Formats: sequence, structure tokens, C-alpha cells
Amino acid sequence: NAGVMQNPRHLVRRRGQEARLRCSPMKGHSHVYWYRQLPEEGLKFMVYLQKENIIDESGMPKERFSAEFPKEGPSILRIQQVVRGDSAAYFCASSPIGTGEKITGELFFGEGSRLTVL
Amino acid sequence: AQSVTQPDIHITVSEGASLELRCNYSYGATPYLFWYVQSPGQGLQLLLKYFSGDTLVQGIKGFEAEFKRSQSSFNLRKPSVHWSDAAEYFCAVGTMFSGGYNKLIFGAGTRLAVHP
Repeated sequence: NAGVMQNPRHLVRRRGQEARLRCSPMKGHSHVYWYRQLPEEGLKFMVYLQKENIIDESGMPKERFSAEFPKEGPSILRIQQVVRGDSAAYFCASSPIGTGEKITGELFFGEGSRLTVL
Repeated sequence: AQSVTQPDIHITVSEGASLELRCNYSYGATPYLFWYVQSPGQGLQLLLKYFSGDTLVQGIKGFEAEFKRSQSSFNLRKPSVHWSDAAEYFCAVGTMFSGGYNKLIFGAGTRLAVHP
């Protein structure tokens, strides 16, 4: 059973370009989370999505950042007009639908996409 | 608002020595607590978690953690450290919502170095 797949693993962009990061959740998982890890810091929550719905985007910067999780295909985190401060590791995590005893609370993380803005 | 504090940024121990990584949380209700480990250039792997019940939880790789409500702590321990344990360790508190949505708040992490 494949884990959470993220691509690209490394992405280099120049200031002003767009970055697109993709995340395929684990099989059977329909919840996707995006986290950002700045150098020497912990992970910061950005957004939580279910298929075709953004449920919680309280951690997303107000401008330039967007996320989607379409009915078909991976979740995408899009950063427009990147700036040097966007350089970070972006982690995707997934979890299954669950209620009651099926809820484990565990998030399964991908290996991250490391964005470098020149 | 929930928050997690990991007071130690870096810790160095000798191989075979015991280890304790500290974690303090701020949360209004009974917390869901987690410890994750991140090896360099890798994603996060769950070591253990606490939801309820026994306050001493066992995890993978010989790790354990103890939930102490009175101290708002969830410290991670290992009796004998191996060189392969060198990594960064993150404590997290989760808020569980209906449908299994779990919003994790992470601490800043503790980087563990192991001397031979």
C-alpha cells in the first residue's frame, strides 16, 4: 500500500514564478492536509481539504496561496508570484474518513516538497 | 488557543544512554497528543499517540511517553538510545473534529544528536 506521494520532491523557482505542489493521499484516504515547515521551525498548519471542498484554510496566507483537491487527481497547493520567504518544505498528510472507534487521529505524512526561491 | 512547547532545541546524548524529550502543551480540554520523528530530508513518522486511558503509552522503536495532566506535559523517553535515533522529534496536540478531521499543532522540535 503506497504511502502519501508528493511531487516534486525539490522545486526551484525564481521570484515571481508560480509553484505547484502535488499530493496523492494514501489509498482510501479522503482527507488531505498541507503543512509548511520553515527552516529550523516546526510544521505550521495551512489547509485541510476533503474531496472538492476546502474545510479549514485558517493557516493559509491571504494572498498568492491556494489549494484544491478535485474529485479526480491529486491535491494541489499553488503558490503564485513566489517570494524568497516562500522557501520551505511543504508537507502533505492524509487521513481516512472515520467515526467513533475508527477515528485514530493519525495523520500520514509524505516526504515533502522542498521549494527554493532564488 | 492550543500550543505546544518543546523547551530543548538541541540535545546530545551518548549511545546507550537514556533519553527524555520534554513537551508541554496548552489545551482547554483533554488533549490528543502525538510524537513524530523526522529524519533528515524525510517526512514525519508517528512514534506514539495518546487519546485516553493509560497515561503511559508505548510506541515504536522502543519509545514511550507519559501524559501528566497536572503538569500539562507529554514527555518522550527511551531507556537506551541507538545511533539511528538521531533525528528531529516533534510533539503535537490535536483537535479532533467530527468525521475524523484532526488539526495538529506542532512544537518547534528537538534535534537529537547521538555520540558513539
